[in-house]
Amino acid sequence: DSGVTQTPKHLITATGQRVTLRCSPRSGDLSVYWYQQSLDQGLQFLIQYYNGEERAKGNILERFSAQQFPDLHSELNLSSLELGDSALYFCASSPGLYNSPLHFGNGTRLTVT
Amino acid sequence: AQTVTQSQPEMSVQEAETVTLSCTYDTSESDYYLFWYKQPPSRQMILVIRQEAYKQQNATENRFSVNFQKAAKSFSLKISDSQLGDAAMYFCASSGGSNYKLTFGKGTLLTVNP
Repeated sequence: DSGVTQTPKHLITATGQRVTLRCSPRSGDLSVYWYQQSLDQGLQFLIQYYNGEERAKGNILERFSAQQFPDLHSELNLSSLELGDSALYFCASSPGLYNSPLHFGNGTRLTVT
Repeated sequence: AQTVTQSQPEMSVQEAETVTLSCTYDTSESDYYLFWYKQPPSRQMILVIRQEAYKQQNATENRFSVNFQKAAKSFSLKISDSQLGDAAMYFCASSGGSNYKLTFGKGTLLTVNP
């Protein structure tokens, strides 16, 4: 068990809808990262937060947004969903910004029908 | 920008044998880290081994070891005494610079034959 908790495990929704994925980092970790894993694109970095502030942005669509709350949990919001958004979404955490490996949650499997 | 390339989409090994998974990377960072992650069918991403680029000594974790060739930008993973539980997708990843985001390769699917 990595200590990173992601909910829900599975999500099935229709095109055009909006969903929220939740992540609780390991105790003491200040950094949270979101990754998308799909068959065609592999593992793609979406966004990173550190202690509540956005630190880095990757291949995140404008329809997607995220935030990290004062208690350090993070939420990834996906809106106007398309079939191509179906993927496994991972959250990972690390203690700081540098010199520490990422620990991943078990992911949320999103299926858009 | 960083890129990570895994040229072997699939590999297979007999139980108890040794297998080496290849990875090459490219980075403009002077300070960076390299990783191998394992993703079994349970889909969890598990850290296997980590290498700091400034260290010349190759990292080792039990049956897992790396061959880090900095000049060649190569970072291969050797699995000794392969076990059925080693069957998984293996991802090579790099990080560096002012943030710690990981850049992943496409992965190598390892099958372990009994």
